Amino acid sequence: EAQVTQNPRYLITVTGKKLTVTCSQNMNHEYMSWYRQDPGLGLRQIYYSMNVEVTDKGDVPEGYKVSRKEKRNFPLILESPSPNQTSLYFCASTHRGTGMTGELFFGEGSRLTVL
Amino acid sequence: QKEVEQNSGPLSVPEGAIASLNCTYSDRGSQSFFWYRQYSGKSPELIMFIYSNGDKEDGRFTAQLNKASQYVSLLIRDSQPSDSATYLCAVRRAGKSTFGDGTTLTVKP
Repeated sequence: EAQVTQNPRYLITVTGKKLTVTCSQNMNHEYMSWYRQDPGLGLRQIYYSMNVEVTDKGDVPEGYKVSRKEKRNFPLILESPSPNQTSLYFCASTHRGTGMTGELFFGEGSRLTVL
Repeated sequence: QKEVEQNSGPLSVPEGAIASLNCTYSDRGSQSFFWYRQYSGKSPELIMFIYSNGDKEDGRFTAQLNKASQYVSLLIRDSQPSDSATYLCAVRRAGKSTFGDGTTLTVKP
């Protein structure tokens, strides 16, 4: 089954404790991206990757890191989480294609709470 | 000014009516335009995408794009209670995707 898998789905952590949210896709997509969703603010792009070893900042990259060492994986790293990073996080992927017209396939989301 | 703005909700329509969702964007270099539906607690799923001016129809859904006016809309005909969800407008330029805040639609039986 074609899917984007995120882990963990739910996490409660404390300020400053490093954490990683993993994202893996089995559709051989070149493009992967991370978003956070907050009430009243919609989906905001954190980072994206057009291909292996290529990453770029989205609209809200502060406090986050990513890496793309393999095509299928795109982990999101919070080196020192803070309460304002409490949010619902989505990973998504698509074929890069021509003009990037492909739909985004989203993971099920990871709800993170930072105390 | 937000890069992508959607008409403020919530929007409520009776079953069988037409629901009209609107979206404006500020980046004239935007290349492709998407409408996603998101049920509460779920991830977004694609309804329609469009990248040329004009209308695009798929079943009960019609997307309209006017690049000169920087305007995208989604019409849902014969609305059903199962259409009740939040609808997200998204615009994309290269790898950067920008979403609107969403419009919550309720279809009343």
